Order: sequence, then C-alpha cells, then structure tokens
Amino acid sequence: DAKTTQPPSMDCAEGRAANLPCNHSTISGNEYVYWYRQIHSQGPQYIIHGLKNNETNEMASLIITEDRKSSTLILPHATLRDTAVYYCIVRGPTGANNLFFGTGTRLTVIP
Amino acid sequence: DSGVTQTPKHLITATGQRVTLRCSPRSGDLSVYWYQQSLDQGLQFLIQYYNGEERAKGNILERFSAQQFPDLHSELNLSSLELGDSALYFCASSDRGREETQYFGPGTRLLVL
Repeated sequence: DAKTTQPPSMDCAEGRAANLPCNHSTISGNEYVYWYRQIHSQGPQYIIHGLKNNETNEMASLIITEDRKSSTLILPHATLRDTAVYYCIVRGPTGANNLFFGTGTRLTVIP
Repeated sequence: DSGVTQTPKHLITATGQRVTLRCSPRSGDLSVYWYQQSLDQGLQFLIQYYNGEERAKGNILERFSAQQFPDLHSELNLSSLELGDSALYFCASSDRGREETQYFGPGTRLLVL
C-alpha cells in the first residue's frame, strides 16, 4: 500500500470549509484513497473513499487530482464537533485488509 | 454509534496479569479486527479474524492471542502484562467484500500498573 503524507496540524474557523490535504505520490492504479477521523480517543470513524473521481457524501467531499498523487478532504462547514485527527489511507483491493493509520492531521475548529 | 460494542470500557490491572477484552461486531459483519493505540505508537493493527478463522496478523506480540467464536464475537487475550501494554484497544468489523470500510467500537482503555 502506498504511503501518505499529511500536515501534522491545521486550524479552521467554525462555519468555514476545512480543506485537508494528503500526498500519495506512489499510489498505484488500483489503490483507493480512504479518509477516517478519530475524535479524542473514540474509535476511528469512516468518512469517505474514492478511486479517481471526486466523491461526496453527507459528511464530506473528496477531491482527487487527475494524476492521483494527491487528494483533499473537504468539510464544507466545519463545526466544533469536527475537531479530530484525520487520517488519509491508501490501499488496494487485494492484500492485507487491515488499515495503516499514519500520524494524520490534527484539525482544530476554532469558534 | 457504529454498532460495534466492546467490553469493558476501562480495565486496570497489574503487571504479570492476564486480561480478556471482548468485542461484538455489527450485525452480519464477518470480519473482526483488533487495533492497539498507545501514545508513542499510534494506531497499530494486531490481528484479523474472518468467520472464525484467523485472516491476517500484524504487530501482535506472542503474549497476545485472539479468537472469534461461532456467534462472531471476538476476544483478545493479553497475558504476562507489562507496563508498555497500557493502551487503547479497538475492535472493528467490516462487511464481506467491503473490508476497507471498517466500523470501530468505542475501545477498551487498559492501564497496567
């Protein structure tokens, strides 16, 4: 599975969009990009995933660049409850099924 | 609420002791995963079971073992506990064919004194 690089921390004003970047320059053609988040010692929570097209669900949007070497998770209207560590994970459809959580990005939403 | 339950929520024990952590997956999920989260190591995969059989192993110590029962609940056994085993232990489950989308339980916080 490809490695990912995320900034260690980010701040975002409440009500504004939070844009969390992830670099995955070694991603291969059949690997998906997954985003999870962990709110203060709770169990990680699945947010969204995608292969190459942009994806949107009730929680967030995922924008993947055309070359697939990077992606951005967008929380359109961040709330205080979105303060969490966000993990970008890249993995393929085969191989081990476990998720590799790196260090993630600690997002702090500021009132 | 992810639908995954874990007991107990907190556990305090002494070095050298043995404990058992329990996990009930979401209804219908056949896969169960165990992860350990300590302050210095982050979230680390320990082991996966699928429908009662061991499917994958990660950085699981020999002092640790797990099993999945016919009703699909799983137990993680930690023995000869050391101070460094103090951590949050998470269980996750996933649906067949969608194993990258894992649903995590609330975790068990283990403190070894």
